[in-house]
Amino acid sequence: EVQLVESGGGLVQPGGSLRLSCAASGFTFSNYWMGWVRQAPGKGLEWVANIKQDGSDKYYVDSVKGRFTISRDNAKNSLYLQMNSLRAEDTAVYYCTRGGTHVVDIWGQGTMVTVSS
Amino acid sequence: DVVMTQSPLSLPVTLGQPASISCRSSQSLVYSDGNTYLNWFQQRPGQSPRRLIYKVSNRDSGVPDRFSGSGSGTDFTLKISRVEAEDVGVYYCMQGTHWPATFGQGTKVEIK
Repeated sequence: EVQLVESGGGLVQPGGSLRLSCAASGFTFSNYWMGWVRQAPGKGLEWVANIKQDGSDKYYVDSVKGRFTISRDNAKNSLYLQMNSLRAEDTAVYYCTRGGTHVVDIWGQGTMVTVSS
Repeated sequence: DVVMTQSPLSLPVTLGQPASISCRSSQSLVYSDGNTYLNWFQQRPGQSPRRLIYKVSNRDSGVPDRFSGSGSGTDFTLKISRVEAEDVGVYYCMQGTHWPATFGQGTKVEIK
């Protein structure tokens, strides 16, 4: 079964850092672009970042550029999102997705990030 | 960024009746490879989004054939031929042609 399982969410103070992880199973992880999409409470969906199969290309939405870093470890079938200088507006459920923006198909169950003092 | 505009934002439907959701983009979604990367997602209450339709009109495996997608260029539609109780949720269109990928505001489908 194809599965994405996120972890690492929690409560963090403004200006703090958090690292999200996504464990992939049931497919050849190294063959796919991967991404992160977020959803603020009661709001719509926002694409955050993408990473190419070998990690050589990365794309970020303007609102997180310079603060968030997407990375992957193909040997561990894992995707990561390092989030620094967190702001209240980063509060959201963060979903791990399979595929770049062209072919996004599978979503994880999400992990909640709350930025608050 | 490409703006995706959905209508209506709320759609009360009688069981067994059809439903239609419109999605318009601020730019053409035809990519340089000739494909149009317009997807439709369903998000049931308390769940993650699930893709229903990709590249305008291709239904994902396991998606009931009462769901269909159509359109071209900047104008797209998701249709449900006969709404069932399990179809309640929020539906999003998403364009993956231009970076960043962007989503419509969502259309909430509920049973009358």
